Amino acid sequence: ETGVTQTPRHLVMGMTNKKSLKCEQHLGHNAMYWYKQSAKKPLELMFVYSLEERVENNSVPSRFSPECPNSSHLFLHLHTLQPEDSALYLCASSQDWRGYYEQYFGPGTRLTVT
Amino acid sequence: GENVEQHPSTLSVQEGDSAVIKCTYSDSASNYFPWYKQELGKRPQLIIDIRSNVGEKKDQRIAVTLNKTAKHFSLHITETQPEDSAVYFCAASVQGAQKLVFGQGTRLTINP
Repeated sequence: ETGVTQTPRHLVMGMTNKKSLKCEQHLGHNAMYWYKQSAKKPLELMFVYSLEERVENNSVPSRFSPECPNSSHLFLHLHTLQPEDSALYLCASSQDWRGYYEQYFGPGTRLTVT
Repeated sequence: GENVEQHPSTLSVQEGDSAVIKCTYSDSASNYFPWYKQELGKRPQLIIDIRSNVGEKKDQRIAVTLNKTAKHFSLHITETQPEDSAVYFCAASVQGAQKLVFGQGTRLTINP
């Protein structure tokens, strides 16, 4: 598959569960991003990784834990989430995190916390 | 930090008419302003962007204008078509870095 893929596409989890979201990019990019998209709110940048190194953490609660084992894969580990964490979580990648590069988004994971 | 305000939140225009969406930003150091389009149930995609060293950029029916003094930029779509119906997001970033701050989005509906 080409572009940016995300799994699962839908996830329902209880507040005491632990789950992980996966993102994979097939574009040879060096930078990857996690965004949160809630209803009636702007896209919120959560984390930025450049060549597996985290370069940005936008004051995200510790119940969200990112992992970037290599430049093609990005994970978001979730634990003890709150109902307000229900949202669409988008992964994106770009050629580099510096400079004027288009970000390519994945289809997103629709997360519901019950 | 940077704050981006986008207006209107919804916009409805007749097919063939023009649509304008406006954004303001707070950080005068911002120098990169992309626009993303998100169709229903699909991922956001870049449609046009502008850097702070130019005042206007066009790509067929789409244009973006930037006023650095007033710290606002606008998206203009001419001769609108049904496939232009989508949510449009503006964004801004400082020093070209990809730490984009997005506006709230505008839901554009093109009426046949």
